[in-house]
Amino acid sequence: DAKTTQPNSMESNEEEPVHLPCNHSTISGTDYIHWYRQLPSQGPEYVIHGLTSNVNNRMASLAIAEDRKSSTLILHRATLRDAAVYYCILRVPLHAGNMLTFGGGTRLMVKP
Amino acid sequence: DTEVTQTPKHLVMGMTNKKSLKCEQHMGHRAMYWYKQKAKKPPELMFVYSYEKLSINESVPSRFSPECPNSSLLNLHLHALQPEDSALYLCASSQVRAYNEQFFGPGTRLTVL
Repeated sequence: DAKTTQPNSMESNEEEPVHLPCNHSTISGTDYIHWYRQLPSQGPEYVIHGLTSNVNNRMASLAIAEDRKSSTLILHRATLRDAAVYYCILRVPLHAGNMLTFGGGTRLMVKP
Repeated sequence: DTEVTQTPKHLVMGMTNKKSLKCEQHMGHRAMYWYKQKAKKPPELMFVYSYEKLSINESVPSRFSPECPNSSLLNLHLHALQPEDSALYLCASSQVRAYNEQFFGPGTRLTVL
């Protein structure tokens, strides 16, 4: 299975942008790049996903390298509520549902 | 309604007990999942159900027995667990199509004495 590599932790100041990197050098052509986050004492929640093009939604932006071997999740203005573990996941398409194989994730700390 | 509910929130059981975890969703999702998460570790997939049929079992010991009685409900039956099975058990659901997001419940915190 293709794997992802993320820094263990990152720190940010409140109201500043945050760039969370993810390396996935063994990604295959059909793997989607998904980001989930897990706030303390909660289940993971979906943030964003993409295949080849950059993506934006109300929560974040996803920038995907041209060779797809890396991607960056961008939070445009970090808030204290964004403090969480962020997981970059390569989503394996299956005929019978899909699998999320979580890597170690990046613990984001946001300072007021 | 975009919520996945799990009951109970907390469960303490002895190694000889039999208990069940319950998960429910009303989003019309036909894929449902059980994950196990140990403290300070990422979630690990245990089972995938698709159209109420078990499609993936990630080599989970038989003391964990999943059941999907209908398209809204997913159970995890527990029997003869070990202390190392203590963890947060997360349920999730999604559409069956591969690119769809999974919706997670808040989890059941299980302690095995």
